[in-house]
Amino acid sequence: AQSVSQHNHHVILSEAASLELGCNYSYGGTVNLFWYVQYPGQHLQLLLKYFSGDPLVKGIKGFEAEFIKSKFSFNLRKPSVQWSDTAEYFCAVNAVSGYALNFGKGTSLLVTP
Amino acid sequence: NAGVTQTPKFQVLKTGQSMTLQCAQDMNHEYMSWYRQDPGMGLRLIHYSVGAGITDQGEVPNGYNVSRSTTEDFPLRLLSAAPSQTSVYFCASSSKRAPPALGGETQYFGPGTRLLVL
Repeated sequence: AQSVSQHNHHVILSEAASLELGCNYSYGGTVNLFWYVQYPGQHLQLLLKYFSGDPLVKGIKGFEAEFIKSKFSFNLRKPSVQWSDTAEYFCAVNAVSGYALNFGKGTSLLVTP
Repeated sequence: NAGVTQTPKFQVLKTGQSMTLQCAQDMNHEYMSWYRQDPGMGLRLIHYSVGAGITDQGEVPNGYNVSRSTTEDFPLRLLSAAPSQTSVYFCASSSKRAPPALGGETQYFGPGTRLLVL
């Protein structure tokens, strides 16, 4: 069975600091990888996704993620966070052969002014 | 396109009551699913469907029923609500028909239903 691990449950950063959120998954086959964001009181929105090709993918609002196949990792990065990035971030994986998404438990990011 | 819609937005139930959470999508997606979100647990898959007339269980199906009579609708039924079902419920849909660059393979989420069971 697939599983997704997010290493940081709570992260507090000051504005302009750099962000890296870890995500590892366990699955032996080909996968699609996603990062979703949930702003306070809102529903999940897609931040970025990886299906194939360049392992460095860029998403909305300056976020990017790198897929390292050998490490089963898909870490999310942003060079300089803003207060408006305060949200919960979820890593998710699905097998190319299937539909169901497996989510990590989420990372709550608080950006202080 | 309205995308994925869910009703109601909020609901309070008493233990033992039944109710149906509604989910609809207008994107002709073949796949639809229900998740529940609980603090510190992420999103857990309850039930899913890969097409009209086809449903299957996810990670946490107990206490919930689903059916898929049309492509557009995927209601979630709580037969006898329990306090452990207090949660936020999200419906999602996706399709493999379009290439990923055009939205294929990506799950789109509804706004959620907050359920409190007393």
